[in-house]
This record gives sequence, C-alpha cells and structure tokens, in this order.
Amino acid sequence: EIVMTQTPLSLSVTPGQPASISCKSSQSLLHSDGKTYLYWYLQKPGQSPQLLIYEVSSRFSGVPDRFSGSGSGTDFTLKISRVEAEDVGVYHCMQGLHLRTFGQGTRVEIK
Amino acid sequence: EVQLVESGGGLVQPGGSLRLSCAASGFTFSSFWMDWVRQAPGKGLELVAIINQDGSEKYYVDSVRGRFTISRDNAKKSLYLEMSSLRAEDTALYYCARDIMWGRFDPWGQGTLVTVSS
Repeated sequence: EIVMTQTPLSLSVTPGQPASISCKSSQSLLHSDGKTYLYWYLQKPGQSPQLLIYEVSSRFSGVPDRFSGSGSGTDFTLKISRVEAEDVGVYHCMQGLHLRTFGQGTRVEIK
Repeated sequence: EVQLVESGGGLVQPGGSLRLSCAASGFTFSSFWMDWVRQAPGKGLELVAIINQDGSEKYYVDSVRGRFTISRDNAKKSLYLEMSSLRAEDTALYYCARDIMWGRFDPWGQGTLVTVSS
C-alpha cells in the first residue's frame, strides 16, 4: 500500500496571504505512461470533496488560478497564492497509481 | 447535470448487513470505473472498493475484503455496496464517486451515513 503523508495537518491563514501544503508518498507515483497520478481534493465544511488538481499540476474545470500544484516522484505541493474566505476546509492529497490512498487531510482556516 | 445520489444507509447492529445504492445520471454510466469512499466521523477519506466498467474487475481495501461486495447494474445506471459482518469501525459516511481515470474523482455523491452500534 502506498502511504500518503501530508504536512501540516492544520493551517491558519490571513486572507490575501499565501498557503502551502506538502504531500509525500511512500513510493514514486510516476506511471510508465509518463503521467504522475497525484490529486488534490478540497472538502468544504458540510460538503462532499471536490477535485481541485489532477496529475500533479492540472487545474480541474472551474478551479481558480490561485490554486497550483507542483512536484514529482514522491514529493508534491499545493499552493494557494492568495487565500480567500471560501478556501476554508480540509485539503486531501490522493494517489491513483495503486488503487487509491489519501493523506490525512490538512484543515485550512482563516485567521 | 452529472449527478450521483447515494441511499441505503442507516443504523445497524454489529454483525448485521446493509446494502448501499448509488444512482447515476447525466453521463454514460457504463463508460466509467466507479468507487466507494468512506469517511469515519472526524477522520480522513478511505477508498473502500472500486469496480471497472463491466464489473469484471473489483478491488477492495484490506479491512473490508471478504465482508463487502461492490457491484453495478449498467442498465439501471446504479452502483451498489453489499456490506455484511459489519463492525463498529465501519461507521462512516459512504460516498460514491465517478472515477474518470486513475483516481480523478468527479463528481462525488452527497454521501449516506452508516452507523454500526448496538
């Protein structure tokens, strides 16, 4: 099983300031097809998760460009360039290479 | 509109059984892998089971293998999860999700709550 480890587990951010979340996998997520199957989901309070980023760095339809993903192999990062009030919730990274496993989640709140 | 709606959750005693359903609409259901993901109260997300387009491939997380069965009826555009020998640790909100490819989940349903307690 691929283990996903997120840090930090919680984050308090002033509106307009940047935020960054790290996600590390226990083995490389690079597939032989050249793609890396790492995803980021946001679960807003009381809602189902929603896809933000797929394959490390591609923003899903409708996702604001203040969200960006980067990384390779086993180390990945989600960045929010300027946090807004609507960005609060729990951010989950997930690997799709071998079945699906999620990180513990990072709770983002507004100061 | 692409939509998934789960049903079938409820309160069940330890050792009991339950069948969850997920009704799909707004897309060609038979073209996609489908997944069940659960979230225990206050906890993170966990894949429970995954099934391919025609139901010939199924995979389970170790903790439910042998107790849970995932299935689908493409004619009815429905996904199912048969759960037996339920344990307290199976208590969770169960989501179904369309797996576009390799874990790209969209959309997710609203979830159905399963509570295992005496």
